[in-house]
Amino acid sequence: NAGVMQNPRHLVRRRGQEARLRCSPMKGHSHVYWYRQLPEEGLKFMVYLQKENIIDESGMPKERFSAEFPKEGPSILRIQQVVRGDSAAYFCASSPGLQNTEAFFGQGTRLTVV
Amino acid sequence: SQQGEEDPQALSIQEGENATMNCSYKTSINNLQWYRQNSGRGLVHLILIRSNEREKHSGRLRVTLDTSKKSSSLLITASRAADTASYFCATAHMDSNYQLIWGAGTKLIIKP
Repeated sequence: NAGVMQNPRHLVRRRGQEARLRCSPMKGHSHVYWYRQLPEEGLKFMVYLQKENIIDESGMPKERFSAEFPKEGPSILRIQQVVRGDSAAYFCASSPGLQNTEAFFGQGTRLTVV
Repeated sequence: SQQGEEDPQALSIQEGENATMNCSYKTSINNLQWYRQNSGRGLVHLILIRSNEREKHSGRLRVTLDTSKKSSSLLITASRAADTASYFCATAHMDSNYQLIWGAGTKLIIKP
């Protein structure tokens, strides 16, 4: 049972380009969470998704950011027209969605905007 | 917004000593979890303690939870160089079990 897989591990984008981050949850997990981590800071919640549904996107900027978790395939976090401030590590976690269960994290995607 | 807070922000100790990190939170929780993050890598779950539990052990790790003080501590006994990492607490709250609220972490350095 592979863990949570994120790709790419490193992504470099020029200002104004689009960044697409992928996350494949653990087998059997239907809940996916995206977090952003700035250097020397903790994780900040962005969005919580179940298959084909966005449950909570209260931590995600209203503009330029979007997320999806289709019926088939990985969850995608999409950042349009990236700016330097988007440079961060983006972590995806998955869980079976039950109470009192842990979240399993991927290795993260480190986005650098130049 | 509610957020867990760890202290100290950084801790440097000699190998073999015990390391204690604390976490405080503000509103009622369902459970509290501790995670470790090695430099530049993903997070690894260490321990989950439920709100009705007071203490939990896992190997060299001991976690306590005091809901009256809204605080938790993580104790690592007989520290090793491999314990060097950042440690985060995350709280799952009564009204949103699925959403973990994170602190900024404690950076632990074990000197050989």
